[in-house]
Amino acid sequence: EDQVTQSPEALRLQEGESSSLNCSYTVSGLRGLFWYRQDPGKGPEFLFTLYSAGEEKEKERLKATLTKKESFLHITAPKPEDSATYLCAVNPGSGGYNKLIFGAGTRLAVHP
Amino acid sequence: AAGVIQSPRHLIKEKRETATLKCYPIPRHDTVYWYQQGPGQDPQFLISFYEKMQSDKGSIPDRFSAQQFSDYHSELNMSSLELGDSALYFCANGNNEQFFGPGTRLTVL
Repeated sequence: EDQVTQSPEALRLQEGESSSLNCSYTVSGLRGLFWYRQDPGKGPEFLFTLYSAGEEKEKERLKATLTKKESFLHITAPKPEDSATYLCAVNPGSGGYNKLIFGAGTRLAVHP
Repeated sequence: AAGVIQSPRHLIKEKRETATLKCYPIPRHDTVYWYQQGPGQDPQFLISFYEKMQSDKGSIPDRFSAQQFSDYHSELNMSSLELGDSALYFCANGNNEQFFGPGTRLTVL
């Protein structure tokens, strides 16, 4: 069964304290791993797509990496405005279509 | 840049009533996905359409139906509403990366 697990469930950081969020996955055939940011009551905001092991993407203070079994979202010197829930999702590639299977998310709180 | 538009943004219904949620995709994107996100939960895939045909089906109750129209907008129809249907409903658009709309918050009383 296709499955996505994120850890930790919640993370509290001081401003400037770098850390990493983990997303481990089990899928029949990976057609992409996606990171989203979600603020309360809003739609998920697309951040990155990763397709193959070894791939890395960066955007401002965020860097996403991918291995054959997991992905990491590294946050360097976070600011309070980075506080949000970070969702990892996979396209399992089954059936030829692109539905996403999400993990439960990591709630990040960055304090000044 | 134009984004996914959803309406209404908020909807309050009584049990056993019906509701219709609408999604207007990004221009020239022909694939639409519907997701349901319960309180404190991750988004769950409901159903998708490609070129106005249903392309995949997830955990969508039989009480729900959806369709995509000739202008590519989509509607999610929900009947015999239950308290447990209270959730955020998102429409997403895109061929590989999916871009989400702002959602419709449905509250069933």
